[in-house]
Amino acid sequence: EADIYQTPRYLVIGTGKKITLECSQTMGHDKMYWYQQDPGMELHLIHYSYGVNSTEKGDLSSESTVSRIRTEHFPLTLESARPSHTSQYLCASSEWDHPKTQYFGPGTRLLVL
Amino acid sequence: KNQVEQSPQSLIILEGKNCTLQCNYTVSPFSNLRWYKQDTGRGPVSLTIMTFSENTKSNGRYTATLDADTKQSSLHITASQLSDSASYICVVTDRGSTLGRLYFGRGTQLTVWP
Repeated sequence: EADIYQTPRYLVIGTGKKITLECSQTMGHDKMYWYQQDPGMELHLIHYSYGVNSTEKGDLSSESTVSRIRTEHFPLTLESARPSHTSQYLCASSEWDHPKTQYFGPGTRLLVL
Repeated sequence: KNQVEQSPQSLIILEGKNCTLQCNYTVSPFSNLRWYKQDTGRGPVSLTIMTFSENTKSNGRYTATLDADTKQSSLHITASQLSDSASYICVVTDRGSTLGRLYFGRGTQLTVWP
């Protein structure tokens, strides 16, 4: 079982609200990732980080933002949630030397009404 | 077009039966291929990983094969159990990716009935 955690696991929120999805890992991994996954579809990379103070946008355009102030935390924020943001968000991390071995958190299921 | 295609999209089998899931990819240059198991509402968990030089890898009742020439992989599940019900995702990494970006298939949704 990977030591990577996400909160909340489920979130139902109204349009226009600001939300932050938390992700933390205790493995000391430098690299962290956020993926978005819709039902029956593949995972899409939306943000990644090489380490503290490093953040990059992924392959899929997203209105969310991320920050990496501490190695173990990689929160994702939506300033104004919309129904189109309804999805599952998965956080992952990997070692610098073995970036192909990504460990995933349990995910956050977001529903925006 | 997705660079990793999986089939079938969904599969229902009876407990105790065997099944085989397929993965075709176009990712190049190839580094490695993983099969992940994703339970409903959970994050993916790695089952097997194979590099270019490996053509088979087992993990208990799960056996993965890789044909790097035809760019095909399969995951064979033996003597299925109810707990095998999940989505099985094929993930390919390219050799040129220092980030470690992964190319994901859409998964095969396996349901095992008693």
